[in-house]
Amino acid sequence: DTEVTQTPKHLVMGMTNKKSLKCEQHMGHRAMYWYKQKAKKPPELMFVYSYEKLSINESVPSRFSPECPNSSLLNLHLHALQPEDSALYLCASSRSAADTEAFFGQGTRLTVV
Amino acid sequence: GEDVEQSLFLSVREGDSSVINCTYTDSSSTYLYWYKQEPGAGLQLLTYIFSNMDMKQDQRLTVLLNKKDKHLSLRIADTQTGDSAIYFCAESAGGGADGLTFGKGTHLIIQP
Repeated sequence: DTEVTQTPKHLVMGMTNKKSLKCEQHMGHRAMYWYKQKAKKPPELMFVYSYEKLSINESVPSRFSPECPNSSLLNLHLHALQPEDSALYLCASSRSAADTEAFFGQGTRLTVV
Repeated sequence: GEDVEQSLFLSVREGDSSVINCTYTDSSSTYLYWYKQEPGAGLQLLTYIFSNMDMKQDQRLTVLLNKKDKHLSLRIADTQTGDSAIYFCAESAGGGADGLTFGKGTHLIIQP
């Protein structure tokens, strides 16, 4: 199993909603990442978890709240988002934060209305 | 600061070779990567090269690195319609995905 699975694939939410994005991998990877990708732009790093601990937060607004309940799962909790937060949210994992190869999920296409 | 530059579009005929170019500015870049992103999908790591290598070949893919000029290229031999995608060049000083800096991506268009 070399997959990073993200759910849901698509999400439409209102600005007052609370929702969560989920990411799962069963490759035994100990580093997991959230990236945000706007249309026609490269991915931008949001958060890095290393051994289930948050190691990097790239000055992301608090309306995005990551959580790593165990080594296989990574969540991104969303609350009070703005329309400009609409984007493709990509999860990735690697053996460790220093490992060369990162595997990306298919992404969750988020639309905030 | 770190910067990775790519041209936005490349159009090739089916069966020809595609060469996608990338330049980067960070001289401490240790690993250089090529990712492929098909429409509506996530990123797929195609290949990567360590900075002390000049070339890496993997089936239809050839990566060339000119470290002096900070120039990276990806050659796809016998380009097929399934190769149509956006190709992102990325670099990392430490090798980890937390340090990845991506280019804006090159959209490869295949003409029949």
